Amino acid sequence: QVQLVQSGAEVKKPGASVKVSCKASGYTFTSHGISWVRQAPGQGLEWMGWISAYNGNTDYTQKLQGRVTMTTDTSTSTAYMELRSLRSDDTAVYYCARVDHPIAPTATDYWGQGTLVTVSS
Amino acid sequence: EIVLTQSPGTLSLSPGERATLSCRASQSVTISYLAWYQQKPGQTPRLLIYGASSRATGIPDRFSGSGSGTDFTLTISRLEPEDFAVYYCQQYGSSPLTFGGGTKVEIK
Repeated sequence: QVQLVQSGAEVKKPGASVKVSCKASGYTFTSHGISWVRQAPGQGLEWMGWISAYNGNTDYTQKLQGRVTMTTDTSTSTAYMELRSLRSDDTAVYYCARVDHPIAPTATDYWGQGTLVTVSS
Repeated sequence: EIVLTQSPGTLSLSPGERATLSCRASQSVTISYLAWYQQKPGQTPRLLIYGASSRATGIPDRFSGSGSGTDFTLTISRLEPEDFAVYYCQQYGSSPLTFGGGTKVEIK
């Protein structure tokens, strides 16, 4: 069965960086993409960007351009999301989710369990 | 950026009733690339509908999606107790992908 297992919760100080991992199993990793979505406490869903596990192409929301990098390691079927220069309003649950297409960000059919990132001094 | 506006913000209904949720886009959504997700408290979102009207794997047929262009609707024909949750629409026709603010369906 398809599973996306994310790394554990993180607590970071303002200005630091965080790198969240998302290990996929149960499907051919390079036949799909991975979107990253975050959800601040009590708020809605925010799409951060997407990476194709097929060719490594990425697309980030302009709001995070310059602070976010998404990568994949096809040898371990793992996706990574790094967010730099953290601010308090980056406090959120970060989700990885499988995109139902190899080379375009489409609907997401399987989601990781979420990783809580808390930014606090 | 396409802004998605969901209404109402909260829908108070009883089990067995019909729920109609609206998602309006600020500009036309390419090829009806519109999805709906359900999220229960403390859980991850679950894909219900993609392509505006296609049900995802394992989704009961009481959930249906319709619409095109800028106006989309999610209908739950008869609410079951497990359907009380928050519902989000998402467009994936143009970058950046965007979500609506959500509609909470609560028990009346």
